[in-house]
Amino acid sequence: SQELEQSPQSLIVQEGKNLTINCTSSKTLYGLYWYKQKYGEGLIFLMMLQKGGEEKSHEKITAKLDEKKQQSSLHITASQPSHAGIYLCGADTGNQFYFGTGTSLTVIP
Amino acid sequence: KAGVTQTPRYLIKTRGQQVTLSCSPISGHRSVSWYQQTPGQGLQFLFEYFSETQRNKGNFPGRFSGRQFSNSRSEMNVSTLELGDSALYLCASSLAFSRTTIRNSPLHFGNGTRLTVT
Repeated sequence: SQELEQSPQSLIVQEGKNLTINCTSSKTLYGLYWYKQKYGEGLIFLMMLQKGGEEKSHEKITAKLDEKKQQSSLHITASQPSHAGIYLCGADTGNQFYFGTGTSLTVIP
Repeated sequence: KAGVTQTPRYLIKTRGQQVTLSCSPISGHRSVSWYQQTPGQGLQFLFEYFSETQRNKGNFPGRFSGRQFSNSRSEMNVSTLELGDSALYLCASSLAFSRTTIRNSPLHFGNGTRLTVT
């Protein structure tokens, strides 16, 4: 069964627009991780959230974890072509690491 | 600090053959895990090793096996290859593993090995 649900599955945005990707779990998460992947390559670690209500930012990317630690969002401000790729959320449930299905982001110049 | 290194980058094999993939973790990382990524199934956990011991295993047939050496390097083996084994195989390393303890170190991934089975 899919532990993490991501939405939307794909996004096409104009350069400069803001966007949000969501990640939802049916279970309480010990930790929630965001990764970015270029096609056919490995995953690049973006951010890790552990505490309910936690919010972290890096450059133009902000990630939040809700109070119940079951939902996270990734927000990109003023998107650029360099933001294009596949964004995956990952979660450590204590036994193993699960990943969401991914959100494919295309940024049109 | 060098990242996670996976070799080879690409492999083409025929059905029935076996294959061995290699992974060198980041220096100091003792946990190595393997994942299979396909368009249909996404990223799926294969197994994780810590201190040369398999700590957890995903839902894959016994044809998929692995091991970890004393220097934390890991290998993954797939025997009797099937067409459905074609995928990107990713290795990740981390400082810690989570079993009964909460993991507080992220996974760091290599660029993967693209396996094509014909």
